[in-house]
Amino acid sequence: EVQLVESGGGLVQPGGSLRLSCAASGFTFSSYEMNWVRQAPGKGLEWVSYISSRGSPIYYADSVKGRFSISRDNAKNSLYLQMNSLRAEDTAVYYCAREKFAGYYYGMDVWGQGTTVTVSS
Amino acid sequence: SYELTQPPSVSVSPGQTARITCSGDALPKQYAYWYQQKPGQAPILVIYKDNERPSGIPERFSGSSSGTTVTLTISGVQAEDEADYYCQTADISGTYVFGTGTKVTVL
Repeated sequence: EVQLVESGGGLVQPGGSLRLSCAASGFTFSSYEMNWVRQAPGKGLEWVSYISSRGSPIYYADSVKGRFSISRDNAKNSLYLQMNSLRAEDTAVYYCAREKFAGYYYGMDVWGQGTTVTVSS
Repeated sequence: SYELTQPPSVSVSPGQTARITCSGDALPKQYAYWYQQKPGQAPILVIYKDNERPSGIPERFSGSSSGTTVTLTISGVQAEDEADYYCQTADISGTYVFGTGTKVTVL
């Protein structure tokens, strides 16, 4: 079964750090681009970051640039999001999602169930 | 920053056709993607590359593009289609953006 499972969410104080993980199974992880997408309570989807199948290029939304860092370990079938200098507005459910590129992008066709990050004192 | 604009809500009776628009300046140059999200669930990809349907998505879902507007059409709407729908594309720098989202209500 193709699956993405996020972990690492929780309650953190403003200014703190958190590292999210996304474990992939059921497909060849190293062949897919990966994204982090978040959704604040009652709000819409917000794209956070992208990493290509080989680890470069990497892109970030302006709202997290300089504070968040995306990485992957293809040997461990895992995706990561290091989040530093967290703010209240980073409170959200964070999803990882895979994406295939073969001449063009095929869209984010598999998503995890999400992990909740709450930034509050 | 780049924006994609969608109507906040669309209401439709069962069996009728729902059309959800998404407007943005980059859309003539970039492909659009559509996602369905039901409460408490992760999004599901329903259209990619403007008008392609992933396997497993019902034929009643279709996409089209014209200039700066793309449209998701749900023909013969069913009660199970009640959900939030988001368009998505990329800008020229490679970053992604989601639309503002449209809540589809089946009357």
